[in-house]
Amino acid sequence: DSGVTQTPKHLITATGQRVTLRCSPRSGDLSVYWYQQSLDQGLQFLIHYYNGEERAKGNILERFSAQQFPDLHSELNLSSLELGDSALYFCASSVEPGQISGNTIYFGEGSWLTVV
Amino acid sequence: QKEVEQDPGPLSVPEGAIVSLNCTYSNSAFQYFMWYRQYSRKGPELLMYTYSSGNKEDGRFTAQVDKSSKYISLFIRDSQPSDSATYLCAMSALGGSARQLTFGSGTQLTVLP
Repeated sequence: DSGVTQTPKHLITATGQRVTLRCSPRSGDLSVYWYQQSLDQGLQFLIHYYNGEERAKGNILERFSAQQFPDLHSELNLSSLELGDSALYFCASSVEPGQISGNTIYFGEGSWLTVV
Repeated sequence: QKEVEQDPGPLSVPEGAIVSLNCTYSNSAFQYFMWYRQYSRKGPELLMYTYSSGNKEDGRFTAQVDKSSKYISLFIRDSQPSDSATYLCAMSALGGSARQLTFGSGTQLTVLP
């Protein structure tokens, strides 16, 4: 158990809908990262928050947004869903604002989104 | 062309075999190299981490980095059925920011009892 908690574990929704994925980082971790893992694209970095502030954006679509709350949990909002958005969405956390030393980033178990 | 290339497999080996997993990359700025293990429908977990070139050993696992060839490897000795998983290489440029991690597509490994 990495200590990073993600909900829901599985979600099935229709095209055009909006969903929210939730992440609770490890106790004491201030950084939260969101990744998308699909069969054809592999694991792709979406966005990084540190202590409530957005720090970096990766390959995140405009239909997607995220935020980190004062209690450090984070939510990833996916709207106007398309079939191609079906993927496993991972949250990861670390203590540092962005630096890693190899053993300081921990992944949750992911939220499996299926768009039908 | 992807920055990081990894043979997706699948790779099947008998228990006790030595497994070699590899990645090649094109970005010479990469300095931090990692191997993650991912069991089916679980989050990736860090196995090995190396900085720059060289070898690193941890139990049955050995990671090698050859920056001159832009080639990294993970060796698993005395492979066990519990090693059956997808192995992802990951790397980042100087600074090692997690937001800059570039992952390979993963190699699916099955160790047969």
